[in-house]
Amino acid sequence: EIVLTQSPATLSLSPGERATLSCRASQSVSTYLAWYQQKPGQAPRLLISDASNRATGIPARFSGSGSGTDFTLTISSLEPEDFAVYYCQQGSDWLTFGGGTKVDIK
Amino acid sequence: QVQLQESGPGLVKSSETLSLTCTVSGGSISTYYWSWIRQSPGKGLQWIGYHYYNGNTKYNPSLESRVTISVDTSKNQVSLQLTSVTAADTAVYYCARDREHTYGKAQGFWGQGTLVTVSS
Repeated sequence: EIVLTQSPATLSLSPGERATLSCRASQSVSTYLAWYQQKPGQAPRLLISDASNRATGIPARFSGSGSGTDFTLTISSLEPEDFAVYYCQQGSDWLTFGGGTKVDIK
Repeated sequence: QVQLQESGPGLVKSSETLSLTCTVSGGSISTYYWSWIRQSPGKGLQWIGYHYYNGNTKYNPSLESRVTISVDTSKNQVSLQLTSVTAADTAVYYCARDREHTYGKAQGFWGQGTLVTVSS
């Protein structure tokens, strides 16, 4: 099983600040890495696929980077609606998710 | 725009079989990967498995012995069966479709989810 470790567990920031979320894989997943946003009571929403490919309708302030075992999701300037939980997910082997990073308001 | 809607019993007795259906509207079942993903209350996400329209399936090894995912193209539905359930199977169950050209590796469309509680 490929284990994904997300850090930090919680990120406390203010609107307008830059958010940097990390996802580390226990072995290489190439670029088969996706990022999702989940708000309370809602299904996850795909933000990024293939490590850096923004999904349809996702604002340009969201960007993904990385390959192999180390990946980053960056939100360039936090909007009020961006405070949520973010998950990474690998698709190199059978799919697994990271434990999530909660971005909350400082 | 494709929409997914899960349906099925919200309460299942321990040791019985959990059966859910995902009805797809606004698009065809063909040429996509259809996954089931679950989330235990207050916890993270677990992929259960997927079914490709041509019949290929892939399951989470930890659940493989108990899971069947199937597709009914005539009804535009995807089904999940999970046998011998226990309290550990209590979760919100999501149906999802992959984003184009990701071959099942990224889920671009999700249902709203349905809570299934396993009772003793």
